[in-house]
Amino acid sequence: DAKTTQPTSMDCAEGRAANLPCNHSTISGNEYVYWYRQIHSQGPQYIIHGLKNNETNEMASLIITEDRKSSTLILPHATLRDTAVYYCIVRVRSQGNLIFGKGTKLSVKP
Amino acid sequence: DTEVTQTPKHLVMGMTNKKSLKCEQHMGHRAMYWYKQKAKKPPELMFVYSYEKLSINESVPSRFSPECPNSSLLNLHLHALQPEDSALYLCASSQDWWGYTFGSGTRLTVV
Repeated sequence: DAKTTQPTSMDCAEGRAANLPCNHSTISGNEYVYWYRQIHSQGPQYIIHGLKNNETNEMASLIITEDRKSSTLILPHATLRDTAVYYCIVRVRSQGNLIFGKGTKLSVKP
Repeated sequence: DTEVTQTPKHLVMGMTNKKSLKCEQHMGHRAMYWYKQKAKKPPELMFVYSYEKLSINESVPSRFSPECPNSSLLNLHLHALQPEDSALYLCASSQDWWGYTFGSGTRLTVV
């Protein structure tokens, strides 16, 4: 599976959009980009995934660049409960295991 | 039911004890996983079961012994653990292309 690079930490003001970047320059054509988050002392939670088109669900939006070498997870109106570690993971859909990198610690501040 | 349930939530055990962690899901998922997470580190994959058969063992010491009695249950048997094995142990399940569903974990302390 391709490797990902994320900033170690980010801050965001409550109510503002949180934009979390991820680089995956070695991604191959059949690999999807998955995002998970882990709130303190809980299990990781699935957020969203995509291949090449932008995706949106009730939790977040995923923007993937045209060359697929990077992506951005957008939380449109961050709340204090969105404070968590966010993991960007690249894997072949239905294959490969979920291997976590170091992730980005997002702190949402009042 | 869209949850993965892990028991117990907390466990303290001595280095000579034998204990088991349990994981249960009723979503019909055919793959189940054990992860280990040390403080301030990402989860690390330990074992993968696919259709009740062990498919991956990521070089985990033999003092950790997984068991999958049926498609809904996953156990992790612990014996002769060391203090450095203290961690959060996470169970997850998945089906096809959908995301993994994780339990809340068992926080294990070895004394």
